[in-house]
Amino acid sequence: AQSVAQPEDQVNVAEGNPLTVKCTYSVSGNPYLFWYVQYPNRGLQFLLKYITGDNLVKGSYGFEAEFNKSQTSFHLKKPSALVSDSALYFCAVRDDNQGGKLIFGQGTELSVKP
Amino acid sequence: GAGVSQSPSNKVTEKGKDVELRCDPISGHTALYWYRQSLGQGLEFLIYFQGNSAPDKSGLPSDRFSAERTGGSVSTLTIQRTQQEDSAVYLCASSWDNYGYTFGSGTRLTVV
Repeated sequence: AQSVAQPEDQVNVAEGNPLTVKCTYSVSGNPYLFWYVQYPNRGLQFLLKYITGDNLVKGSYGFEAEFNKSQTSFHLKKPSALVSDSALYFCAVRDDNQGGKLIFGQGTELSVKP
Repeated sequence: GAGVSQSPSNKVTEKGKDVELRCDPISGHTALYWYRQSLGQGLEFLIYFQGNSAPDKSGLPSDRFSAERTGGSVSTLTIQRTQQEDSAVYLCASSWDNYGYTFGSGTRLTVV
């Protein structure tokens, strides 16, 4: 069965510092991986996805993620964090069985302090 | 429409009542998914529609939960005899290719 794990419930970063939000995956077959962000009282906003191709994926708002097959990881990164990046971040994997529903991690709360 | 629309945005209901939550997907998106986000929990898959049929209902937590989709467009998630543990945010997503997903803003359900 497909699954993703986000090992950190919370990540704290100072504004201007680089940030990393971790995600590891377990899949049978090709992994199709996604990152979403959720601001308070809002729905999920798409950041980026890995389907195939370059291991470094660039997405919205300056975020990027690196697909690492040997480590089965897909960590989200940003070179310089902003206070406005503070939100809940979800990693997800597409389930190839039956219509491609997304299987989500538990989420990581990112807090960026001035 | 420009995005996925969900209504109502907030719903407070008494325990034991039935509720209906509506999702209006992006026009032309044939796939539609319902998820539930409970406090302190991640996002839990409920049901998937392709057109009007639901080939995957594996996430519905009990027979009190049902959903339908008509005209390949609007979907309604119905919860009968609501319980307090049903309190959550219910999110809908649609997709045209099952690889790109657009989420609505959700319905926050509170059962009192």
